[in-house]
Amino acid sequence: EVQLVESGGGLVQPGGSLRLSCAASEFPFSNSWMHWVRQAPGKGLVWVSRIGGDGSRISYADSVTGRFSISRDSATNTLYLQMNSLRTDDTAVYYCRYSYDNGDYWGQGTLVTVSS
Amino acid sequence: SYELTQPSSVSVSPGQTARITCSGDVLAKKYARWFQQKPGQAPILVLYKDDERPSGIPERISGSSSGTTVTLTISGAQVEDEADYYCYSVADNNLGVFGGGTKLTVL
Repeated sequence: EVQLVESGGGLVQPGGSLRLSCAASEFPFSNSWMHWVRQAPGKGLVWVSRIGGDGSRISYADSVTGRFSISRDSATNTLYLQMNSLRTDDTAVYYCRYSYDNGDYWGQGTLVTVSS
Repeated sequence: SYELTQPSSVSVSPGQTARITCSGDVLAKKYARWFQQKPGQAPILVLYKDDERPSGIPERISGSSSGTTVTLTISGAQVEDEADYYCYSVADNNLGVFGGGTKLTVL
């Protein structure tokens, strides 16, 4: 069964940095589109970024462009999100997501809190 | 623009039909997906390519599309269908976009 396990969340001060990881298993990670999606407390889902299977074809939401960077390591089946210049409105649960033609899997999320 | 618009809430009695709409220019050219999210849980896919159901999703959940609007329909809604529902698509610039979400109440 597909597994996606996020880690790396926590409390960080405004202006700080954090790197999220997503350990993937039981699907062809190196050939798969992967995404990050976030959800602020009590709010809706917001698409953040995606990356193609070969590490190219990267896209970002306008709200994170220039501050966040998505990457992947096919040797360890791990997806990353490097988050810099964090702001209070980046506070959210961050989900790792695997999408393909007729399916979609999500991890359980990791909470990022940006506060002084 | 690449916004998707949903009603904030829909309420039905058990056994009635619930319809949730999602509107946006991108839907004229791109497929939509629908996700169900219950409190404290990750979203799950309930429809893809506007009207296709993944395995394990009950037949009472269906989808349709017309122009720039897609609709998720739950025929004979049950208490267990109470959740937040989000539509999703990908714009021409390869940016993903979710609708604002619809809270479905069944009581």
